[in-house]
Amino acid sequence: DTAVSQTPKYLVTQMGNDKSIKCEQNLGHDTMYWYKQDSKKFLKIMFSYNNKELIINETVPNRFSPKSPDKAHLNLHINSLELGDSAVYFCASSQDSEGGEKLFFGSGTQLSVL
Amino acid sequence: DQQVKQNSPSLSVQEGRISILNCDYTNSMFDYFLWYKKYPAEGPTFLISISSIKDKNEDGRFTVFLNKSAKHLSLHIVPSQPGDSAVYFCAACYSGNTPLVFGKGTRLSVIA
Repeated sequence: DTAVSQTPKYLVTQMGNDKSIKCEQNLGHDTMYWYKQDSKKFLKIMFSYNNKELIINETVPNRFSPKSPDKAHLNLHINSLELGDSAVYFCASSQDSEGGEKLFFGSGTQLSVL
Repeated sequence: DQQVKQNSPSLSVQEGRISILNCDYTNSMFDYFLWYKKYPAEGPTFLISISSIKDKNEDGRFTVFLNKSAKHLSLHIVPSQPGDSAVYFCAACYSGNTPLVFGKGTRLSVIA
């Protein structure tokens, strides 16, 4: 039974399209995150939500909009996709938002924008 | 600006020997450090962590050493096993509502 699951695993789309990535965690955690791993392999925080409230919004273009319908779900919607959005996107969760807590990651969504 | 640096992109070690993965950081406010392990097509999984009040933490075959004055930490795996072959990420944060900052990772290959 997967703890943090995200779909789809692969996403290939054209520039200018709008797409969504879904994430669900069954660990009962309070905080969920989106991380981006770019071509240089850095894992960078994009957003974090604690109990459905936005906590962290790193300098991410407003084409990226996270949505948290409940604390077990954090979806990522991306408008007007650009070539530079191609990356692997990881969802994660942790027990609280104090930092230092170990994150549980999903298996990633490989997004390719053509 | 890389606050967490893993300067070795790859490392090869013979099975049974020690693997040492290194990590340097620049932000002196970091007070909690973690290592994650990642297999292909999977997300990173937590391996071991250390608080800045300690200089060593051990969990089975894995030991993390922290040298605060040098802003350096290392992960030792003894003995190394083929199943340890993966990418290892060093991560750091400081108290409060701060996200983990990750290094670029080191790919470890353990050769049988």
